[in-house]
Amino acid sequence: QKEVEQNSGPLSVPEGAIASLNCTYSDRGSQSFFWYRQYSGKSPELIMSIYSNGDKEDGRFTAQLNKASQYVSLLIRDSQPSDSATYLCAVGGSGYALNFGKGTSLLVTP
Amino acid sequence: EADIYQTPRYLVIGTGKKITLECSQTMGHDKMYWYQQDPGMELHLIHYSYGVNSTEKGDLSSESTVSRIRTEHFPLTLESARPSHTSQYLCASSGQGSGANVLTFGAGSRLTVL
Repeated sequence: QKEVEQNSGPLSVPEGAIASLNCTYSDRGSQSFFWYRQYSGKSPELIMSIYSNGDKEDGRFTAQLNKASQYVSLLIRDSQPSDSATYLCAVGGSGYALNFGKGTSLLVTP
Repeated sequence: EADIYQTPRYLVIGTGKKITLECSQTMGHDKMYWYQQDPGMELHLIHYSYGVNSTEKGDLSSESTVSRIRTEHFPLTLESARPSHTSQYLCASSGQGSGANVLTFGAGSRLTVL
């Protein structure tokens, strides 16, 4: 079973702080990595994708990938209350479907 | 804007009924997927299709069936609904090239079986 592990949280950060979300995966053959945001009662929406080791930045979001450690992270700078949601880590292997973690609940307090 | 549509959004039905959850996308994507998600739990892949007349079961055993007769349409059917089928069903699609496994999700169908 290919596993994607996330701390379920909740992770609580004050407005304006950096939120750091982490994810580990078991399949060393994984080739693509994604972060989705899911608001309560809504469907997941893509925030970031990353395919190579290192950092990838998009606005306030930075994804970090370390394939040797089988570790993916998402940093959210200048966190806003609207960032409060569940963040799903998803990993792709040899096929096209993705394996998802249970998600980390993030709460940004004003 | 995600152009993938699911109907019904909410369905409450009695045990033993046959139901079909509809999913259609207008993005011309060749790949489509059905995931099941219970509250606080991860998404589980139950079916996927990489093209017309091609369907496969996912990692999570499911009593549902799917069909892919048209590229844009990927319905999921439960022949006899049971309370254990109560869940959120999410349809997704992805395209080709660099977007081959970039999934776009529909709004979901929340099924309650009494």
